[in-house]
Amino acid sequence: GAGVSQSPSNKVTEKGKDVELRCDPISGHTALYWYRQSLGQGLEFLIYFQGNSAPDKSGLPSDRFSAERTGGSVSTLTIQRTQQEDSAVYLCASSFGISGRGQETQYFGPGTRLLVL
Amino acid sequence: AQSVTQLGSHVSVSEGALVLLRCNYSSSVPPYLFWYVQYPNQGLQLLLKYTSAATLVKGINGFEAEFKKSETSFHLTKPSAHMSDAAEYFCAVTNTGNQFYFGTGTSLTVIP
Repeated sequence: GAGVSQSPSNKVTEKGKDVELRCDPISGHTALYWYRQSLGQGLEFLIYFQGNSAPDKSGLPSDRFSAERTGGSVSTLTIQRTQQEDSAVYLCASSFGISGRGQETQYFGPGTRLLVL
Repeated sequence: AQSVTQLGSHVSVSEGALVLLRCNYSSSVPPYLFWYVQYPNQGLQLLLKYTSAATLVKGINGFEAEFKKSETSFHLTKPSAHMSDAAEYFCAVTNTGNQFYFGTGTSLTVIP
């Protein structure tokens, strides 16, 4: 079946512009995660959605970052007034989310490579 | 608080040699531990995971990892490296399923 998809695959923007990154999780997966992978760094947790529960936003680095998940499926990560330090690969992952205790495998999308000039 | 430390950002081994990638974690409660692999120009995929069952976990492509609570380690090994093993490897920990903490990754080079 189809895996996690993300769009666009690459995005170049100018400092100060807003960007929207999209994630389509695997059908039936109730848990969805956003991560940021900066050059030479590990994956940095940003936000976690589980079903209809309030998202865990504790990883968002500033109030310029926000995310939505509509209808329990597609998610959009929005970065307002982009800065050069926002340049990174943004990864989305999904899992069944049944156990809620971290035992489940996360399936990652290919990422969106964001470059802020 | 949880964290993961991967010692050695770059590891080189000869083809056929033992692969050992190190991961140490900190967690105040029993953790779930994962190894993910990222091949060039591909997304991350799960190699193996520890979820409090057997301490020696076998994964795909001949990799295995052993959970050692006394050493707070979850090192990844493979007896004989193959050229196709060249990739970036990430160790991760969680105890809630909400937040996953990833290490900074180890880039494995296999020398023919």
